[in-house]
Amino acid sequence: SQQGEEDPQALSIQEGENATMNCSYKTSINNLQWYRQNSGRGLVHLILIRSNEREKHSGRLRVTLDTSKKSSSLLITASRAADTASYFCATASGGGADGLTFGKGTHLIIQP
Amino acid sequence: DGGITQSPKYLFRKEGQNVTLSCEQNLNHDAMYWYRQDPGQGLRLIYYSQIVNDFQKGDIAEGYSVSREKKESFPLTVTSAQKNPTAFYLCASSIATTSASPLHFGNGTRLTVT
Repeated sequence: SQQGEEDPQALSIQEGENATMNCSYKTSINNLQWYRQNSGRGLVHLILIRSNEREKHSGRLRVTLDTSKKSSSLLITASRAADTASYFCATASGGGADGLTFGKGTHLIIQP
Repeated sequence: DGGITQSPKYLFRKEGQNVTLSCEQNLNHDAMYWYRQDPGQGLRLIYYSQIVNDFQKGDIAEGYSVSREKKESFPLTVTSAQKNPTAFYLCASSIATTSASPLHFGNGTRLTVT
C-alpha cells in the first residue's frame, strides 16, 4: 500500500525560483526519505529525516517534517534546469529492510 | 566506481515466456531489493533479500521469483504467471538491513511483454 502522497503531482517553475513539494502520510513513521528520479533512470537518495527531527538541510535542499500533521516538505532553492526530475518521498514505518513505502511523486519542470 | 548494474536496459518478450532480469552490485551491501514502477506510480516492492541464500516476499511477489546465491547478485525472474508484466523494474541495495539505510538504485530494466 502507498503511504506517502506527494503534492502537487506536477510543478513547473522558472529557473532561479524556489520549488516546494509536499508529502503527506497516514501512519506513524521512523523516518522519511526523499529521492530524485531523472527520466528513465533509477532513483537517487537526497536526504533522510528522522521522526525526532524537524528540519534538515543539504546544499540547496531543505526538508521539514511535522509529525503532528503527518507531513513533510522538500524545498529546492535557486532551481536549475538540472533539477528537472520526479521527486518521491518514502516513509519507513517499521525498522526492517522492507520498511520503505514510496509515494507517486511530484514531477518538477524547471523552465530556462 | 561502485554501483548497481542492471541489464539489459530494454527487454522484449512474448507472452507466456519467463524472463530473467540481472542485478549486480559492487558496493558490498548486504540488502538487495526489487521494485516495480508503473507510469505515474510510485515504487512497489516485489522481493528483498537481507543476506545470501535468504529472501522475503514484498507487496507484489506473485508471478515473480528471485535467488540470492552470491552477495553481489540478485536476479529477478518474471514468470508467465505474472498477469501484467510490462513495467519498469528497479533493483536497489542498502548497506544495512534497516529502513534507515538509504537505497542505492540501478538504472532499471524496461520490460515489454506482447
